Amino acid sequence: EPEVTQTPSHQVTQMGQEVILRCVPISNHLYFYWYRQILGQKVEFLVSFYNNEISEKSEIFDDQFSVERPDGSNFTLKIRSTKLEDSAMYFCASRGTGTVNEKLFFGSGTQLSVL
Amino acid sequence: SQQGEEDPQALSIQEGENATMNCSYKTSINNLQWYRQNSGRGLVHLILIRSNEREKHSGRLRVTLDTSKKSSSLLITASRAADTASYFCATGPYNTDKLIFGTGTRLQVFP
Repeated sequence: EPEVTQTPSHQVTQMGQEVILRCVPISNHLYFYWYRQILGQKVEFLVSFYNNEISEKSEIFDDQFSVERPDGSNFTLKIRSTKLEDSAMYFCASRGTGTVNEKLFFGSGTQLSVL
Repeated sequence: SQQGEEDPQALSIQEGENATMNCSYKTSINNLQWYRQNSGRGLVHLILIRSNEREKHSGRLRVTLDTSKKSSSLLITASRAADTASYFCATGPYNTDKLIFGTGTRLQVFP
C-alpha cells in the first residue's frame, strides 16, 4: 500500500538553528499537510498546502515556519530559528480527493528535539 | 471543554471484551473520523462518518454520530492485544480543510 514517508525519524538541534523536515507524500496526492504533537498533548494542525501555495495555516505557523514543494515529490517544513517549545513530533499528511476534510494518510513522523 | 474531547482518557480491558470510546466536539462538522496511533508512530485512519450518517461499521469497528449532542462513539468488538494503541477522534469543521483532533483514549488490551 502506498505510504507517506518522512525523514529523518529523529532530529536533534540547538536552539536558534534552522531545521528542515522532509516528507514524500503519496505520489498521486494533491493536498499536503503538516501537523505536530507535543509529548502527551493533542495532535495540532499547522498548515495545509495545495497547488503550490498555502491553503490554510494555524496560529502556531508563524513567520519562523515555511513550507515548500521543491520538486514533484518532496514536501518540506522549515523552521528558521528553532525554540525549545518547537520540540515535538511533526507529522506530514496527504490526501488525494478534492473533498475537504477527507481521510488523511500520515507519515510516521519526525521527532524534533530542540536543546 | 475543548473541540474533540475523548473519554475515557485510558481504558484497560481483557482480550475478547468490547471497548467503547466517546468523543465530544463543539462546532458544526462535515464529518468525524477516528484514527489510531501506536506508541511513537504515525496516525492510521480507521473510519469516517459523515454528518448526515448516524452509524457506520467497518470490520470490528462501529461508529455512531449524534450531531444534536455533538458526540460520537467508537466501539471495538472482541478486542485483541494488537488493538492496544491510542485512539483519536478528529473533526472536519465546515469551511476549513483541517482536522481538529481530540485528546485521545489510551486503550490497553491484556491477553
